Amino acid sequence: GAGVSQTPSNKVTEKGKYVELRCDPISGHTALYWYRQSLGQGPEFLIYFQGTGAADDSGLPNDRFFAVRPEGSVSTLKIQRTERGDSAVYLCASSLGGATINTDTQYFGPGTRLTVL
Amino acid sequence: AQSVTQLGSHVSVSEGALVLLRCNYSSSVPPYLFWYVQYPNQGLQLLLKYTSAATLVKGINGFEAEFKKSETSFHLTKPSAHMSDAAEYFCAVSGSTGNQFYFGTGTSLTVIP
Repeated sequence: GAGVSQTPSNKVTEKGKYVELRCDPISGHTALYWYRQSLGQGPEFLIYFQGTGAADDSGLPNDRFFAVRPEGSVSTLKIQRTERGDSAVYLCASSLGGATINTDTQYFGPGTRLTVL
Repeated sequence: AQSVTQLGSHVSVSEGALVLLRCNYSSSVPPYLFWYVQYPNQGLQLLLKYTSAATLVKGINGFEAEFKKSETSFHLTKPSAHMSDAAEYFCAVSGSTGNQFYFGTGTSLTVIP
């Protein structure tokens, strides 16, 4: 079956612009995660959705970052007034969710490489 | 609070040699531990996970890891390296409470022919 997909694969923007990054999880997965991976680092947790609601957004670095998942499937990560420090690969992952969330296998998308000039 | 430390950002082994990638964890609750692999230009993929059952966990592609509570370690091993094992490997931890997963900084494995 189809895996997690992310669009666009690459995004180049200018400082101060607004960007949206999209994630299509595996069908039937109720849990969805966003991570940010900077060069030479591991994925850094940003936000986690269980269904439509953001169950944990404690990893969002500041209020320029926001994510939605209105129908419990596709999610969009939104970054306002982008800064050069936002440049990174943004990863999305989905898992079955529910009671076994902490032991779930997460299935990762290929990521969106964001470059802020 | 939970975290993992991966010792050695780069590891090189000869083809056919033992692979040992180190991961130590810190957790105030019983941890669940994972190893993920990232091949070039691909997404992260689960190798194996420890979820408080057997302490020796076998994963895909001949990899295994042993949970050692006394050493707070979850090192990844493979008896004989293959060229196709060259990739970035990440250790991760989650806890019985909370939903966050914490990843290490990764270890890049190079296999020398």
